[in-house]
Amino acid sequence: GQSLEQPSEVTAVEGAIVQINCTYQTSGFYGLSWYQQHDGGAPTFLSYNALDGLEETGRFSSFLSRSDSYGYLLLQELQMKDSASYFCAVSRAGNTPLVFGKGTRLSVIA
Amino acid sequence: ETGVTQTPRHLVMGMTNKKSLKCEQHLGHNAMYWYKQSAKKPLELMFVYSLEERVENNSVPSRFSPECPNSSHLFLHLHTLQPEDSALYLCASSLLQGANYGYTFGSGTRLTVV
Repeated sequence: GQSLEQPSEVTAVEGAIVQINCTYQTSGFYGLSWYQQHDGGAPTFLSYNALDGLEETGRFSSFLSRSDSYGYLLLQELQMKDSASYFCAVSRAGNTPLVFGKGTRLSVIA
Repeated sequence: ETGVTQTPRHLVMGMTNKKSLKCEQHLGHNAMYWYKQSAKKPLELMFVYSLEERVENNSVPSRFSPECPNSSHLFLHLHTLQPEDSALYLCASSLLQGANYGYTFGSGTRLTVV
């Protein structure tokens, strides 16, 4: 089977940097995605890593280490609007659907 | 709006009722998904349709019945539900069913079974 582990809650101060970790166990690993979901809203795609290393998109960056079965989402210059749940999701080879983690609820405080 | 529209946004139904959830996308995507989101649990995959054919059914009780009449529309028919079925039901679509295609989600239907 597959499993993903991420912290359930993280609190950080406005303007700071926060890292949300995700470890996974799966066969046929292909890539790691991150999604953001505000309360009452739709999960929205943030980033995708298939290769080791860091992908940067504005204030958000995502990192993957395939050898460690580990990835993280890095949010810089935190803003209040970044308060949301963040989900990591594993893609596997063979046209199989994404498998999601339980999500990390990020609270940004003043 | 994400491009994936779900109706209704909220639904309260009795255990003996029959209702349907609707999902619509005009993004030109060929794969559509139903997920169940419960508090403190991972998103649970329920059904996958690729090119209008059901390709995966994740051991979902028969009281949930999906229908995909065309590549733009997906339904989830509900009957004789249980209170534990109360959850947020999310529809998603992707260009193709493949490892590196991002999903576009709708805002979900918040279902309460009384």
